Amino acid sequence: ILNVEQSPQSLHVQEGDSTNFTCSFPSSNFYALHWYRWETAKSPEALFVMTLNGDEKKKGRISATLNTKEGYSYLYIKGSQPEDSATYLCAPYKGSGNQFYFGTGTSLTVIP
Amino acid sequence: NAGVTQTPKFRVLKTGQSMTLLCAQDMNHEYMYWYRQDPGMGLRLIHYSVGEGTTAKGEVPDGYNVSRLKKQNFLLGLESAAPSQTSVYFCASSSIPGERGQPQHFGDGTRLSIL
Repeated sequence: ILNVEQSPQSLHVQEGDSTNFTCSFPSSNFYALHWYRWETAKSPEALFVMTLNGDEKKKGRISATLNTKEGYSYLYIKGSQPEDSATYLCAPYKGSGNQFYFGTGTSLTVIP
Repeated sequence: NAGVTQTPKFRVLKTGQSMTLLCAQDMNHEYMYWYRQDPGMGLRLIHYSVGEGTTAKGEVPDGYNVSRLKKQNFLLGLESAAPSQTSVYFCASSSIPGERGQPQHFGDGTRLSIL
């Protein structure tokens, strides 16, 4: 079992604010890290798949960075909008055991 | 574009009853997964399959069985349901994880209550 920690657990921001959250994971045997966006009453949807140390990925106002040596990834949202309200999950993959281990997520609420 | 389809979407069982949850994917994915999601906890892997005819235990396999007789289908069975199995169950599929850049695709979930 992989110990995956996401912080903060929940976050309330005003519309237009920028925000970021963290995913921490054991750095040994790292292979890939997935970020998912999970809206209430829907299923998780993939945001990013990150594999290389120093990776930066961007999709619109959302971006992510990866540090495999120290075992963390940051997700950034620039100019938050109400439609960004969701739980953001990270899931590292070790490359052995064929299993992803999901963090408990960061719940983001953007207040109009 | 069906993607990953789970049936049923909701079910209420009595303790001791049995049932099977069906997951079907139309993306020709090799890997399929069953997770459960409980309040305050992340998605926890129950069982997974790396191809037709194969299954393996995940983090929380006790009380569940699975079968993958066809590549597109992954069945999760509860032989004797217990209240502790009340949860939301998600199925997911993916290409081989070693092919980097391939995320998991999730179904809409099955909400199961055991009374």
